[in-house]
Amino acid sequence: QSALTQPRSVSGSPGQSVTISCTGTSSDVGGYNYVSWYQQHPGKAPKLMIYDVSKRPSGVPDRFSGSKSGNTASLTISGLQAEDEADYYCCSYAGSYGFGGGTKLTVL
Amino acid sequence: QVQLVQSGAEVKKPGASVKVSCKASGYTFTSYGISWVRQAPGQGLEWMGWISAYNGNTNYAQKLQGRVTMTTDTSTSTAYMELRSLRSDDTAVYYCAVGGGGNSFDYWGQGTLVTVSS
Repeated sequence: QSALTQPRSVSGSPGQSVTISCTGTSSDVGGYNYVSWYQQHPGKAPKLMIYDVSKRPSGVPDRFSGSKSGNTASLTISGLQAEDEADYYCCSYAGSYGFGGGTKLTVL
Repeated sequence: QVQLVQSGAEVKKPGASVKVSCKASGYTFTSYGISWVRQAPGQGLEWMGWISAYNGNTNYAQKLQGRVTMTTDTSTSTAYMELRSLRSDDTAVYYCAVGGGGNSFDYWGQGTLVTVSS
């Protein structure tokens, strides 16, 4: 499976909303509802934030939401907080897994 | 609570093999699969493969076929990942994670740094 395409970086001020896109193809993102998103702080292991496109694991704030349209999935973070500054990776499953290249979120 | 504890950092020479362990606790080990994901320094995440802790079925990334073997020991709730014929570009932090086989990676180990250098 080919790598998914994410913007290298996004930024926003505290309290604002940001959206991170993740573009694949009809064979992966567009073909299945198996998109997940992971947050990774420097030097730490990734943490699951969204699974099955839009489901949130228990303990993840409802400021985090996921959606999909066609071959592009999106992660939206509303009410930005300083601790949201991290790298974010999307992932899709289509018989094997592919990750996006990662997006660095900066909270200004 | 679910916990995955991985073995310590390794330094290997090119051509050697490495075996990383991942001890699980806090859930029924055979109810979920274990995936392995690696991250080269300053780079993104790369899925390596998955093993069912229930029946040992595996699914490896095409890129690593023939060099990687994933196993489990259900008596100790431990998963293992062995990578052979190591090259410098195998230098990475290796993570185990609960999930795979179509599911998301719900819980992650702390990571194991493998350095390949002559």
